Amino acid sequence: GDSVTQMEGPVTLSEEAFLTINCTYTATGYPSLFWYVQYPGEGLQLLLKATKADDKGSNKGFEATYRKETTSFHLEKGSVQVSDSAVYFCALSGGGGSQGNLIFGKGTKLSVKP
Amino acid sequence: DAGVIQSPRHEVTEMGQEVTLRCKPISGHNSLFWYRQTMMRGLELLIYFNNNVPIDDSGMPEDRFSAKMPNASFSTLKIQPSEPRDSAVYFCASSFWTGGRHTEAFFGQGTRLTVV
Repeated sequence: GDSVTQMEGPVTLSEEAFLTINCTYTATGYPSLFWYVQYPGEGLQLLLKATKADDKGSNKGFEATYRKETTSFHLEKGSVQVSDSAVYFCALSGGGGSQGNLIFGKGTKLSVKP
Repeated sequence: DAGVIQSPRHEVTEMGQEVTLRCKPISGHNSLFWYRQTMMRGLELLIYFNNNVPIDDSGMPEDRFSAKMPNASFSTLKIQPSEPRDSAVYFCASSFWTGGRHTEAFFGQGTRLTVV
């Protein structure tokens, strides 16, 4: 079936550092890809998405590009802030091998120090 | 729309008691998910409905857990009898299923369940 693999955390960075969180996927079809963020004590919320190959999703300074050739959707931000400290989840839908489900990775915890 | 609404926000119950968690999805959405989140196991899908029909319940831990969606605007997750290992945050999410895939899912604030 479809699956999502994202880098293990936790990730600890200093403020203004560059962030990359890797995400790769396995799917039989051509899924939509998502990044969700979960702040402490809250539910998950959509950060950005891409629905087809070479699409770039962006929001709040975060970006991710749908790379079909490498089956990847890595999350990047040029300069992180303390307020970006959260857990980040990569997800996919419509891959053809998941009964139509929304498949999440295990999450990567990011801590940004001042 | 007020978003996905879950109740209660917090529930403390004694082992052996029945617990019912409730969810009101976003109006117009046709898919609903129940997830469980713990430190040890992370985010786990329990069950997924499409047009009020359970599509994938392979994540439901055992017979003590049951979920229903009697109509498009309401779902329940019931645990009977509850056990301490059921302590977790339970999330409900809804989305719109079209063209063989979901639009983005919207999550509720979660119900924090503690079984003592």
